[in-house]
Amino acid sequence: DAGVIQSPRHEVTEMGQEVTLRCKPISGHDYLFWYRQTMMRGLELLIYFNNNVPIDDSGMPEDRFSAKMPNASFSTLKIQPSEPRDSAVYFCASRGQGPNQPQHFGDGTRLSIL
Amino acid sequence: AQSVSQHNHHVILSEAASLELGCNYSYGGTVNLFWYVQYPGQHLQLLLKYFSGDPLVKGIKGFEAEFIKSKFSFNLRKPSVQWSDTAEYFCAVKARNDMRFGAGTRLTVKP
Repeated sequence: DAGVIQSPRHEVTEMGQEVTLRCKPISGHDYLFWYRQTMMRGLELLIYFNNNVPIDDSGMPEDRFSAKMPNASFSTLKIQPSEPRDSAVYFCASRGQGPNQPQHFGDGTRLSIL
Repeated sequence: AQSVSQHNHHVILSEAASLELGCNYSYGGTVNLFWYVQYPGQHLQLLLKYFSGDPLVKGIKGFEAEFIKSKFSFNLRKPSVQWSDTAEYFCAVKARNDMRFGAGTRLTVKP
């Protein structure tokens, strides 16, 4: 079965550019999560969706960050404009409905802002 | 909001040594508990989870964890580590729909 699919795997761009990260959750999963992983701060939850609706975006660091989920099979995390301190690995995860469902993670996008 | 503490940032062991990684959380209500592993260059994978019932949970690859409610702890153990266990280990706590991860513990196993 296909897991959570993220693209691109690696992104290197100059500061000030717009960056768009993409995620396809596991089919049938109702929840989708975006995380950021850095050496300094570990894993941080940025935002999560339930049935395509953003539920909690309190982890989004700044207004430069935005996330959308236009349908059940696709989500984007956008950074505009990007800054060097945004460099991190960004993970997407999804899980099914119900209290006992674990999250399944994608491979992550390694983002480097020069 | 709940928080998760992993006491050891980096653990170095020789093969066949026993492993115990600490995890404590702060939350007074019902929680679900997880351990994830991240091998170098790979995504997070679920090692084991606790929802209810027997507080001693067995996971994949010989790992187990014990939930001690009175201590708010969920420590990960393995009797004999292998070189292939070299990875980063994350404890996570879910309360309602809010999931928090610990900072992670890097395990290095020397052959």
